Amino acid sequence: EPEVTQTPSHQVTQMGQEVILRCVPISNHLYFYWYRQILGQKVEFLVSFYNNEISEKSEIFDDQFSVERPDGSNFTLKIRSTKLEDSAMYFCASSVPGRVNTEAFFGQGTRLTVV
Amino acid sequence: LAKTTQPISMDSYEGQEVNITCSHNNIATNDYITWYQQFPSQGPRFIIQGYKTKVTNEVASLFIPADRKSSTLSLPRVSLSDTAVYYCLVARPDYGGSQGNLIFGKGTKLSVKP
Repeated sequence: EPEVTQTPSHQVTQMGQEVILRCVPISNHLYFYWYRQILGQKVEFLVSFYNNEISEKSEIFDDQFSVERPDGSNFTLKIRSTKLEDSAMYFCASSVPGRVNTEAFFGQGTRLTVV
Repeated sequence: LAKTTQPISMDSYEGQEVNITCSHNNIATNDYITWYQQFPSQGPRFIIQGYKTKVTNEVASLFIPADRKSSTLSLPRVSLSDTAVYYCLVARPDYGGSQGNLIFGKGTKLSVKP
């Protein structure tokens, strides 16, 4: 079964450092997303990406965040200057366009720990 | 998008049927009801979606009454591996299929005991 893959599974970084989280969405999917989940809290939407541009973003996705699809397969989330409160699980997801489709496929996540 | 309300937790035993009810009083005409499952340290996984009446797949059934203000996810004969958090979401698929409108609440933590 096709799956969304994320690397690394765990990233530890020092406060103020830049991190790049990587994702390989399912190959025929056209929408890509990043969500995060702080330990013990709910899954929060960050950003969606379609046709090489951001289609939606949440209030959480401020100027320290950016996304990129550098080639035909990877989708990355960059956090420019990490803060302690950025520690969370970051999930990448992808989906196909569909008028009645509410199914997104999530990766296993990257656990980001900022120290 | 309509806010959803569901129980914080539920306990069950192996082999039982589990029904998790969700209320979404302000659901709009274009909204669909969708359920996701999440195991610890894993990403959410789509279970089922529906608009009205009953939908069944190999994993679960979804019952939606005529007024669509609530829905019930039914898991037949649960096993220990069904222990997870179950999220009820109201989502508005559009022609673009964007899932930025997947707004997760706190979900229902289902514990299945032997």
